[in-house]
Amino acid sequence: GEDVEQSLFLSVREGDSSVINCTYTDSSSTYLYWYKQEPGAGLQLLTYIFSNMDMKQDQRLTVLLNKKDKHLSLRIADTQTGDSAIYFCAELPNRDDKIIFGKGTRLHILP
Amino acid sequence: DAGVIQSPRHEVTEMGQEVTLRCKPISGHDYLFWYRQTMMRGLELLIYFNNNVPIDDSGMPEDRFSAKMPNASFSTLKIQPSEPRDSAVYFCASSGETQYFGPGTRLLVL
Repeated sequence: GEDVEQSLFLSVREGDSSVINCTYTDSSSTYLYWYKQEPGAGLQLLTYIFSNMDMKQDQRLTVLLNKKDKHLSLRIADTQTGDSAIYFCAELPNRDDKIIFGKGTRLHILP
Repeated sequence: DAGVIQSPRHEVTEMGQEVTLRCKPISGHDYLFWYRQTMMRGLELLIYFNNNVPIDDSGMPEDRFSAKMPNASFSTLKIQPSEPRDSAVYFCASSGETQYFGPGTRLLVL
């Protein structure tokens, strides 16, 4: 079946890099996503990567995809207090299917 | 674009009452999704539509829940009768190439 797994919590010191990891099961996934949810808000699309890419960089964000291991990671450089949120990994098995979300990783920033 | 619009943003009601949540998707998006989020269960997909047609409603918890999409710019999620365990945040999302979420409706059933 389809499943997306990610750790529930991560604590990082302000200024350090945060790396949030995710594994997925469906090798036919065409798109993989990272969403951010701040307290009391909806899910905000942070970035996404096509399955034929290995890496995507967007300012402080770096997404790495290891398709062989079905592993996706999100690296946030120079973590700030404003990065404190829940980060959801998600996959889209194919264009017409629903997105499968992980349970989210709560990123806590230490001073 | 204003993004996905949901109303109301907050709803407090008593057990047994009917609740109607509304969603206006992003113009041009052909998919619309309804999700529910709770601390215990996380994010759950309830139902989704493609070109106004329900595709998968297997996530709808019970017959008390129903959803409609009468046209491309409007959808409703109705709970009748509501129960305290329905208390959650309900998100609507729409997608073309990528999925965008609305701000959610926070529902509290007393």
